Amino acid sequence: EAGVAQSPRYKIIEKRQSVAFWCNPISGHATLYWYQQILGQGPKLLIQFQNNGVVDDSQLPKDRFSAERLKGVDSTLKIQPAKLEDSAVYLCASSPFLGPQETQYFGPGTRLLVL
Amino acid sequence: AQTVTQSQPEMSVQEAETVTLSCTYDTSENNYYLFWYKQPPSRQMILVIRQEAYKQQNATENRFSVNFQKAAKSFSLKISDSQLGDTAMYFCAFMKGGSQGNLIFGKGTKLSVKP
Repeated sequence: EAGVAQSPRYKIIEKRQSVAFWCNPISGHATLYWYQQILGQGPKLLIQFQNNGVVDDSQLPKDRFSAERLKGVDSTLKIQPAKLEDSAVYLCASSPFLGPQETQYFGPGTRLLVL
Repeated sequence: AQTVTQSQPEMSVQEAETVTLSCTYDTSENNYYLFWYKQPPSRQMILVIRQEAYKQQNATENRFSVNFQKAAKSFSLKISDSQLGDTAMYFCAFMKGGSQGNLIFGKGTKLSVKP
């Protein structure tokens, strides 16, 4: 079974530029998550989708970050404009359904460096 | 708000020996789950073990076991017969029960297994 795919793996941009990340979850997984992992910290949830609906985006900086999950499969996360503090690894994860009994499967992440 | 604290930024252990990683958490919830995730260098984060708070019995997965002390809000991970492949960042995480909880991670413990 293929795992969670993410691209690009690395991205370097200058502040105030925009960037987009893509995630393809495990086939059949209804729930998709985007996490931000700043160096030296644990991942922090940015947004959670159930199919193509948003379940929780309370920690998403909505003035600069946006995310969508069209057709309930792939998802994109966008930052516009980027700030220095956005430098982090962006992890995508998926699970069959919502809830703590569902194992979240993580992708390899996209490492973003904002100069 | 829930918090997760891992007080050991780094640990090391000799191959074949046993090591225990510490985690404490703070919550007013009665229904919750606790997790240990492993993030090997340059590889995906994977679930190691999960504990349901209402279960008295400590969870075990092969060489990995937990010591769950609910009253003390402590959740430590014991790795027996350590192997070189156990070298990784280990994250303790918390999730409320119910269908819409999200994972709250600690800052992680970097474990090095030495030959």
